[in-house]
Amino acid sequence: EDQVTQSPEALRLQEGESSSLNCSYTVSGLRGLFWYRQDPGKGPEFLFTLYSAGEEKEKERLKATLTKKESFLHITAPKPEDSATYLCAVRTYNQGGKLIFGQGTELSVKP
Amino acid sequence: NAGVTQTPKFRVLKTGQSMTLLCAQDMNHEYMYWYRQDPGMGLRLIHYSVGEGTTAKGEVPDGYNVSRLKKQNFLLGLESAAPSQTSVYFCASSSHQGDINQPQHFGDGTRLSIL
Repeated sequence: EDQVTQSPEALRLQEGESSSLNCSYTVSGLRGLFWYRQDPGKGPEFLFTLYSAGEEKEKERLKATLTKKESFLHITAPKPEDSATYLCAVRTYNQGGKLIFGQGTELSVKP
Repeated sequence: NAGVTQTPKFRVLKTGQSMTLLCAQDMNHEYMYWYRQDPGMGLRLIHYSVGEGTTAKGEVPDGYNVSRLKKQNFLLGLESAAPSQTSVYFCASSSHQGDINQPQHFGDGTRLSIL
């Protein structure tokens, strides 16, 4: 069964304290891995797509990486405005293009 | 830029009542999706559509119906609401260009409570 697991469930950081969020996946054939950011009361906002192991994408303080079994979202010198829930999702070849989401990591950055 | 618009934003229903949630997108996307988001469960796909006039079941379709009469609109119906359908409902859309992996774009959700 295709599965996506994110860890930790919640992460509290001080402003400027770098860390990483993990997304582990077990799928029969990975077609793409997506990272989204979700603010309270809002819908998920697209951040990155990763296609193959070794690929990296960056946006401001965020950097996403991909291996054959997991993806990391690295947050460098975070600011309070980076506080949000970060969602990981995978698209597989046998799911007709549908996304399978992890449960998310709730990030809180304190000043 | 409107993107994906969901109406209503909030709704409270009594058990057994019916209602329709509306999703509209202005990006000319072929694919549209309905998800529900519950605490600790992540986003789960209810129904989806790959084009006007087509619909298909997702992971949790029971108790819901959908229609895609126009390309820009995707309706989610609850025929007889149950407390287990209390959730936040999200609509999403995406384009499809061959094998190009297009991201899904989401609306801001409808918060539905069934009493």
